Amino acid sequence: NAGVMQNPRHLVRRRGQEARLRCSPMKGHSHVYWYRQLPEEGLKFMVYLQKENIIDESGMPKERFSAEFPKEGPSILRIQQVVRGDSAAYFCASSRTAGDTQYFGPGTRLTVL
Amino acid sequence: TQLLEQSPQFLSIQEGENLTVYCNSSSVFSSLQWYRQEPGEGPVLLVTVVTGGEVKKLKRLTFQFGDARKDSSLHITAAQPGDTGLYLCAGEKAGSNYKLTFGKGTLLTVNP
Repeated sequence: NAGVMQNPRHLVRRRGQEARLRCSPMKGHSHVYWYRQLPEEGLKFMVYLQKENIIDESGMPKERFSAEFPKEGPSILRIQQVVRGDSAAYFCASSRTAGDTQYFGPGTRLTVL
Repeated sequence: TQLLEQSPQFLSIQEGENLTVYCNSSSVFSSLQWYRQEPGEGPVLLVTVVTGGEVKKLKRLTFQFGDARKDSSLHITAAQPGDTGLYLCAGEKAGSNYKLTFGKGTLLTVNP
C-alpha cells in the first residue's frame, strides 16, 4: 500500500520561473494538505483541499501561489515567478476523511537560485 | 509568536540515558500529535493524544497530554542511536479545518 508520493523530490529554479509540485495521496484518501518548512522554522500550514475544492487556503501567500486537486490526477502546488524566499521544503499530507490522521509525503525541496 | 513551544531545541545524550521533551502552549487543542522526522524525509506519525491527562506508551516512548490539553511531553527510556531525529509536536484546534500547528521541533542525537 503505497504512501503519499511527492515529485519531484528536489527542484531547482531561477528567480522568475515557475515551480510545480505534485502530490499523490494515499489510495482511498480524498483530503490533501500542503505545508511549508522554512530553514530553522516549523512546518506551516498552507492549504487544505478536497477533490475539486479548496476548503481552507488561509496559509497561502496572497500572490503567486495556487493549489488544485482535480477529480483525476495529483494535487498541484504552483508557485509563479519564484523568489529566493520561496526556497523551502514543501510537504503534502493526505487523510481518508476530514479530521482523520494526516500522513505525510517525503517532501519536495525547492531551491531558488 | 510560536503557538507551540518545544523544548529543548537541541538534545545530545549517550546511549542508555533517559530524556524528556516538552511541547507547551497557551492554547487548547482538541488533539495533539507527535511526529519524528529524519533528514530529507517527511514527518512520520508516532502517536495522537486526544483526552486531557491521557498517557500512551509505544515501546520505550511514553507520551502524555496535559489535563488542560495545552501541553504534552514525550519521554524516552534507555535511548538508542536509532532514536536520533527531529521530534515534532503538532496540535489541532477545534474549528480549524483540521489544519495542524507545528512546533519547531527538538533535534535529538543519541551517541553510541
